[in-house]
Amino acid sequence: EPEVTQTPSHQVTQMGQEVILRCVPISNHLYFYWYRQILGQKVEFLVSFYNNEISEKSEIFDDQFSVERPDGSNFTLKIRSTKLEDSAMYFCASSEVGTTDTQYFGPGTRLTVL
Amino acid sequence: DAKTTQPNSMESNEEEPVHLPCNHSTISGTDYIHWYRQLPSQGPEYVIHGLTSNVNNRMASLAIAEDRKSSTLILHRATLRDAAVYYCILRAYSSNTGKLIFGQGTTLQVKP
Repeated sequence: EPEVTQTPSHQVTQMGQEVILRCVPISNHLYFYWYRQILGQKVEFLVSFYNNEISEKSEIFDDQFSVERPDGSNFTLKIRSTKLEDSAMYFCASSEVGTTDTQYFGPGTRLTVL
Repeated sequence: DAKTTQPNSMESNEEEPVHLPCNHSTISGTDYIHWYRQLPSQGPEYVIHGLTSNVNNRMASLAIAEDRKSSTLILHRATLRDAAVYYCILRAYSSNTGKLIFGQGTTLQVKP
């Protein structure tokens, strides 16, 4: 069964450093998402992406964040200058056709900012 | 986005049915009711969704009240693997972004 993959599984970085989290969505999917989950808290929407542009972003997704689909398979989340409060699990998700379609989530990347 | 209310936690015994309730009194006519779950240390996983009629799939059943102000996710025979956080989420049919808005969900414990 096709699945969403994410790399790395765990990323440790120093405050102020840039990080890039990578996702490979399911191959025929057209909608892509990033969510994050701070330890012990709920899953929060960050951004949705369709047709090579952001379709919606949350208040969390400020100028420090950016997303890109650099080729036909990868979908990346970049944090330019990490802060301690960026420490969280980051989940990528994709859906096939429509915005009400089932979203398939990856296993997540645990980001630890020291 | 319409809000849902779920109990914080529930317990069940293995191989017994589990009924997970969700209240959504402000649901609009075009909102679909979706359920996702999150197993420990994993990403969320789709379970089931419906609009008005009850729905069944290989994972669970979804019972929707006639007035659509509440719904119940039914796991017919809970297994230890079903221990997870279950999220009831409303999604507007006309949504142009597809974002999922997660609440705190219900943490289901399954006892052997």
